[in-house]
Amino acid sequence: QVQLVESGGGVVQPGRSLRLSCEASGLTFNSDDIHWVRQAPGKGLEWVVLIRNDGSRKYYADSVKGRFTISRDNSKSTVYLQMNSLRAEDTAVYYCARFVSGYGLDWWGQGTLVIVSS
Amino acid sequence: DVQMTQSPSSLSASVGDRVTITCRASLGISNYLAWYQQKPGKAPKLLIYTASTLQSGVPSRFGGSGSGTDFTLTISSLQPEDVATYYCQNYISAPLTFGGGTKVEIK
Repeated sequence: QVQLVESGGGVVQPGRSLRLSCEASGLTFNSDDIHWVRQAPGKGLEWVVLIRNDGSRKYYADSVKGRFTISRDNSKSTVYLQMNSLRAEDTAVYYCARFVSGYGLDWWGQGTLVIVSS
Repeated sequence: DVQMTQSPSSLSASVGDRVTITCRASLGISNYLAWYQQKPGKAPKLLIYTASTLQSGVPSRFGGSGSGTDFTLTISSLQPEDVATYYCQNYISAPLTFGGGTKVEIK
């Protein structure tokens, strides 16, 4: 059974940093692209970033470019999202999801809540 | 970047009704279009990919169509368990933008 588990969320002050993790099991992790999608309270889904299976390519939404950094450790089946210079508008549930070419995001984690507030 | 526009933003229909949700892309995306269902407090779930292919386990009352810029999600006979918000997403290239969502309720 495929499982993605996010962790690392919490309450953080504006301007500070936070690192999220997404640990995968039940899949061939080093073959899979991983995406992060976020959802602000009461709002729709916003695509944030992707990392290719081997970490060779990364793409960021304009809203987080220069502040967020994605990386992965295939030996630990884990993707990391380093979030710096956090703003109130980054408050959201952050989901990681597996992307399969031609299919879309077929497996999602349960999400982790990030609250940016003073 | 491709912008995705969904309509309506919400709808209310009776059990058994046929429900249609539309999604328009600002540029042609061929059939690189997915639909997701999200129930309150839960992660999204992939319903349809390549615009019209049902993900395994999805009831056959769900259907998708379209290509290029105009797409449709149809629920042929609305059931109580279909109460959710539905999102389209283009995945032709990054950024993989989502539509604004359509909230479906039972009348």
